Amino acid sequence: NAGVTQTPKFQVLKTGQSMTLQCAQDMNHEYMSWYRQDPGMGLRLIHYSVGAGITDQGEVPNGYNVSRSTTEDFPLRLLSAAPSQTSVYFCASSLLAGAYEQYFGPGTRLTVT
Amino acid sequence: AQSVTQPDIHITVSEGASLELRCNYSYGATPYLFWYVQSPGQGLQLLLKYFSGDTLVQGIKGFEAEFKRSQSSFNLRKPSVHWSDAAEYFCAVGPMEYGNKLVFGAGTILRVKS
Repeated sequence: NAGVTQTPKFQVLKTGQSMTLQCAQDMNHEYMSWYRQDPGMGLRLIHYSVGAGITDQGEVPNGYNVSRSTTEDFPLRLLSAAPSQTSVYFCASSLLAGAYEQYFGPGTRLTVT
Repeated sequence: AQSVTQPDIHITVSEGASLELRCNYSYGATPYLFWYVQSPGQGLQLLLKYFSGDTLVQGIKGFEAEFKRSQSSFNLRKPSVHWSDAAEYFCAVGPMEYGNKLVFGAGTILRVKS
């Protein structure tokens, strides 16, 4: 049981490049989400999904796309990377969209130059 | 909109001393409240949560937190700190309707001196 996994661990992009951050969970959780963590700002919600085929925007969705074709996977796409997207990205999952503990992945550190 | 304030960016305590990390939230109703801990280079681990009932909640690693509705606070405490508690601590609030949509505070970095 791996829990929540994220790949890659580190990534450097040039401005304007696109990429996909991968997130997978093996706990059969319905709810998954993406956060970004910036110094002094805590974690901010980017997008979330309450189940396969259903996604919605969080607090800071601009510049990011998501889709949820399976229960296990919830990739985050950066369409055209900008230096402002330099951050640490965390994926999280929980059993359902309610009062349930969220389990976090180890994070992806992204640098955009 | 809801918000979470952690007034202390850094706190340094001696090993064996008691600890209190402050958290205040702004929200129109009673939210779900959480404390998470993040060790360097790691993801977040849930320490404890409050949804309803007893306002003093116990968590893992000897931590507890008390929900005070009148003060909109959810302070984290530990009676005796260990060197391994050095980490960053985040308070978070989730609205009742959506549960998992968490809003995080900026975090408090705990340093433990021997």
